[in-house]
Formats: sequence, structure tokens, C-alpha cells
Amino acid sequence: DAKTTQPTSMDCAEGRAANLPCNHSTISGNEYVYWYRQIHSQGPQYIIHGLKNNETNEMASLIITEDRKSSTLILPHATLRDTAVYYCIVRVGGGTSYGKLTFGQGTILTVHP
Amino acid sequence: EPEVTQTPSHQVTQMGQEVILRCVPISNHLYFYWYRQILGQKVEFLVSFYNNEISEKSEIFDDQFSVERPDGSNFTLKIRSTKLEDSAMYFCASAGLSPSRSYNEQFFGPGTRLTVL
Repeated sequence: DAKTTQPTSMDCAEGRAANLPCNHSTISGNEYVYWYRQIHSQGPQYIIHGLKNNETNEMASLIITEDRKSSTLILPHATLRDTAVYYCIVRVGGGTSYGKLTFGQGTILTVHP
Repeated sequence: EPEVTQTPSHQVTQMGQEVILRCVPISNHLYFYWYRQILGQKVEFLVSFYNNEISEKSEIFDDQFSVERPDGSNFTLKIRSTKLEDSAMYFCASAGLSPSRSYNEQFFGPGTRLTVL
């Protein structure tokens, strides 16, 4: 699986958009970008994933650059409950992959009132 | 919404003792995993399980560890002779296709905190 690089920590004001970057310059053509988060030692929670097109769901949006070497997770209106560690994970994915998830250190997002 | 459950939430044991951590995956899922997280460190993969056999394991998952799906609903992790360094949060996860059947995601349980004294 390709390696990812994320900032160690970020801050965001409540109600504002949180934009979390991830660099994955060695991503392969069949690798997807997944985002998970972990709220205060709870089990990690799936957020979103994508291959090359931008994706949006009820939790977040994922913007992947055209060359696929980096991506940004966007939480459009951050709340205090979004304070968590956010993990960007690259792996072979889609509907046919049930392989392991390889977690890095992630980005600690702190949402302030 | 279906969820993965784990018991106990906290297990304290003496070094050298055997422990069994239990998980109930989401009912229609077929892929099961164990991960662990030592305090302050990243989440690490231990083992994946499918069709009643291990499909992948990490270097951490040595002969002291074993997994089993004894009755079609539970998924267990056994540590035969615990060491101090086994103290960690252990997460169970299960995976299956999304309702749209277009992708899979791993659902994690709340974890079991294992403390080895």
C-alpha cells in the first residue's frame, strides 16, 4: 500500500469548514483513498473513499487531485463532535477488496467553539 | 443501525495468563479482523479471517495469538500467555458490502482495553 503524509494537527472553528490534506504521491492506479476517523480511543469509523473522482456523502467531501498524488477531506460545517484523529489510508479497494487497513499517525483535528 | 460489539470492555490479567477477547460482528458480514492500539500509538493490524481461516496476519500475530469463530456469531482472539507489552486496546472489525453493493467498509467495535500486570 502507498504511504501517506498528513499534518500532525489542525484546528478549526465550529461551524467552519475543516479541510484536511493528505499526500500520497506514490499511489498506484488501482489504489483508492480511504478516510477514517477515531474519536477519543473509540473504534475507527469509516468516512468516505474515492478513486479519482470527487466524492460526497452525508459526512464529508473528498477532493482528489487530477494526478491523484494528494487529496483533501472536507467537513463542511465542523462541530465539536468532529474533534478526532483523521486517517488517510491508501489501499487497493472498491467492492472487491477486504484487505487490512494500514493506519498512520493521522491528523488530530480540534474543533474550537 | 447494526454495530460490532465487543466484550469485555476492560480486561485486567496477570502476566502469563490466557485471555479471550470476544466480538460479535455485524450479522451478514463475512470478513473479520483484529487490530490493536497501544496507548498513544497508531492502530495496528493483527489478523484477518474469512471462510473459517486466517487470510492475512501481521508479524505481531505470533504463536501466542489465535482466532476462532466458534459458533457462527462470535469471533474471538485468544492470547495464550500474556506479556506486559500486550497491554493495549484491541479492536474487532467486520466488513461486508454496502447496501448499494458498490464498496466495502470495515466497521469497528468499541474495543477491549487489556491491561497486563
